[in-house]
Amino acid sequence: QVQLVPSGAEVKEPGASMKVSCKASGYTFTNYYVHWVRQAPGQGLEWVGVINPTGDTTTYAQKFQGRVTMTRDTSTSTVYMEMSSLRSDDTAVYHCARDRNGYYNSFDYWGQGTRVTVSS
Amino acid sequence: QSVLTQPPSVSAAPGQKVTISCSGSSSNIGSNYVSWYQHLPGTAPKLLIYDNNKRPSGIPDRFSGSKSGTSATLGITGLQTGDEADYYCGTWDGSLNSAVFGGGTKLTVL
Repeated sequence: QVQLVPSGAEVKEPGASMKVSCKASGYTFTNYYVHWVRQAPGQGLEWVGVINPTGDTTTYAQKFQGRVTMTRDTSTSTVYMEMSSLRSDDTAVYHCARDRNGYYNSFDYWGQGTRVTVSS
Repeated sequence: QSVLTQPPSVSAAPGQKVTISCSGSSSNIGSNYVSWYQHLPGTAPKLLIYDNNKRPSGIPDRFSGSKSGTSATLGITGLQTGDEADYYCGTWDGSLNSAVFGGGTKLTVL
């Protein structure tokens, strides 16, 4: 069965960087785009960006451009999201999600999410 | 402030039907497919509807979706207490070049 297993929770100070990961299994990793979506406490879902199957193309939401980098390692079927210059409002659960069909259609499988806390 | 607009909450009794609306614009719902997700806090969101009205394997036909113009609707019939969750609509916005979501609707089954 398809699984997206997230990395563990992180606590970061303001201004620091974080790198979270999602290990995929149960499907052909190089056939699907993977998105990152976050949810801040008490807030709704917010799209961060997407990485293509081979990892050479990314698209980020405008508010994160310049601050986020998505990569993927096909040898370990793992996608990564790195975010720099963290602020308190980056405190959120970060989910990876597989796209059902292509660049953007819908998110058919989600990881349970990595909780990131930004606090001094 | 979400790009797509959903009611913050809806409620209905067990066995009844509820609808959740999602309003957008020509650059998002008006020109792209809509999907719907069920989310229980602390868990992974679940895809309920894709391509406006299609259900993934395993999603019961109590859940339905529709779209008209720049609005979409999720319908849930035969409500169960296990349906209590947050529901989100989502689509692509061509002007923003970004996936967008509604603010979420909390369903309470009284």
